[in-house]
Amino acid sequence: KNEVEQSPQNLTAQEGEFITINCSYSVGISALHWLQQHPGGGIVSLFMLSSGKKKHGRLIATINIQEKHSSLHITASHPRDSAVYICAVRGYGQNFVFGPGTRLSVLP
Amino acid sequence: DSGVTQTPKHLITATGQRVTLRCSPRSGDLSVYWYQQSLDQGLQFLIQYYNGEERAKGNILERFSAQQFPDLHSELNLSSLELGDSALYFCASSVGVSNQPQHFGDGTRLSIL
Repeated sequence: KNEVEQSPQNLTAQEGEFITINCSYSVGISALHWLQQHPGGGIVSLFMLSSGKKKHGRLIATINIQEKHSSLHITASHPRDSAVYICAVRGYGQNFVFGPGTRLSVLP
Repeated sequence: DSGVTQTPKHLITATGQRVTLRCSPRSGDLSVYWYQQSLDQGLQFLIQYYNGEERAKGNILERFSAQQFPDLHSELNLSSLELGDSALYFCASSVGVSNQPQHFGDGTRLSIL
């Protein structure tokens, strides 16, 4: 079992749909990051969470430490949201472990 | 623009060679992180430096080494290169030492022939 798992692996949505990407992890963590990687390869850090919920524009990230689970939500999705979304956790040993990514395509 | 600069953008070399990748962090950031992204293994954390000192080590091979200089730029040295070292190498920076948002450079694409 991988330490960090994401679902779904691939997701195709119509413009305007509400999207949820899930991340589950099996180790104790000090923080969880959500990253966005565009088709050109560039990586943008979306959120860093250690508890609760954060919101930035149309993006919302939540984490449940007890259940070792985080979700990334995108409201009113747009084609420009098409990217790979990667969950990463930082363990207490300070190592980072990355999930395999969720490839999102939003169709106009 | 993240403010993190990585050079070169592309590097093509041969097996057995040595290369140096360079990263200039965003102004004011003291931490630098190095990551490797290959097709078969995804993103992997290599190493973190904070204000010149090594702070965390991930899956960095013994053939690889890094350092952070007094002006805070960092270099990742890869030696005795193998075909499997072909990957995108990302540098990121953050203000503090732990649990801070990171700002990523555009990456260096390394191709080993």
